[in-house]
Parts: sequence; C-alpha cells; structure tokens
Amino acid sequence: KAGVTQTPRYLIKTRGQQVTLSCSPISGHRSVSWYQQTPGQGLQFLFEYFSETQRNKGNFPGRFSGRQFSNSRSEMNVSTLELGDSALYLCASNSGTENTEAFFGQGTRLTVV
Amino acid sequence: ILNVEQSPQSLHVQEGDSTNFTCSFPSSNFYALHWYRWETAKSPEALFVMTLNGDEKKKGRISATLNTKEGYSYLYIKGSQPEDSATYLCASSHLNAGGTSYGKLTFGQGTILTVHP
Repeated sequence: KAGVTQTPRYLIKTRGQQVTLSCSPISGHRSVSWYQQTPGQGLQFLFEYFSETQRNKGNFPGRFSGRQFSNSRSEMNVSTLELGDSALYLCASNSGTENTEAFFGQGTRLTVV
Repeated sequence: ILNVEQSPQSLHVQEGDSTNFTCSFPSSNFYALHWYRWETAKSPEALFVMTLNGDEKKKGRISATLNTKEGYSYLYIKGSQPEDSATYLCASSHLNAGGTSYGKLTFGQGTILTVHP
C-alpha cells in the first residue's frame, strides 16, 4: 500500500511569507503528527490530528498551525516565516491507537531566505 | 521538559562487528519507547515499539531491551553489515495530565552508525 506522501519535497520562501505543507497519510490511518528537525536538534513535535481534531500540541509559537480534512490528509501552515523556521518538516501517520508505530513521510525541506 | 538522550552520537564499526547503542528517557509517566532507523534520503522506519519493563524485541539481527524503572533502552545489532549504516533514533511517549500521549514522541538526537566493509 502507498506510504505517507508529503508535498512539496523542497520549498524556498522569503522571510515574512507564509507556507503550507501537505501530508497524505497511509490509507486507513486517521492520525497525523508533524515534526520539525533543525540542524543539531532532534525531531521536535509540533502537533497531532485525529479525525479532524487537534489532540496534542508541542511548544511552538502560534505562527505554526495545522488542520486535518475528512479524508485524513493534513496541512501545516507557518505564517510570518523567520530564518529559524528553515528545517525539515516530517509528518507521520498511524491508526490513532496509542503505542503503535508511526509511519513517516520523506519530509519537506523548507528554506527561508 | 522531557529529555531523551542517546549515546554514542556516532559509531564506526567494521562489517561483522556487533554493536549497541543506549537511549535514556525520563521514567515518569512513561508510556512507550520507540526505535527508528533513518537512512539517508529516506523516511524514518520503525524498528520496535516497547511498553513493558523487561520487554525484549528482536527483528533479524537487531534486538532491543527496555528498562522503564531506570529509564533506559539498548539497541543491539549483531554482525553489522554495510546496509545497517543509518541514524538510529529512539523516542519516548509519556502520559499527559489527561492520561494520554496522542502522537507525541520525544526524540533523542540519534546515533549515526557507519559500517565499513
């Protein structure tokens, strides 16, 4: 079955702009989580959505937001981009049952200039 | 603030060597411990999810153990092969005040393994 698909794979934006990243989970998976990886940092949890509801949230400013659609696809939006937002953004899907493995996409590499 | 620590940061071994890595995590409100393998230009791939103290899991030449009371897990690779070269990540989940952990994994910075032919 198809894996987790993230689009676009690469993105260059200018400071102050906003960006939207997309994640299509594995068919049948209802939970989507988002993570940020910056140089020298481990993966940092942004938020998790299940059945169109945000169930959990990490410690990121309000410029980072997300949503999930009825088909479980999720989008993440970052407004007023800063240079420090340059990172690899990964999404992960699972069935929504706790303690199950997460399946990751290949990520979107965002560069803010 | 939860901190997950992995050691060593990087490791170079020869083909055929056995190796192991350590993951330390907070034991309070512990829920599960995940191990992932992340190869360059690919997605992180789940190896194990463990929840119970004393859990031991094995997949081929790779195995892992879990000690939830002292907050550590070991990942072992027996007879390393060049294709085992990757970053190995561990992540823990912990129950929040509401008794859930939904989707939130706290990752360590990973151990970069290079296996030389």
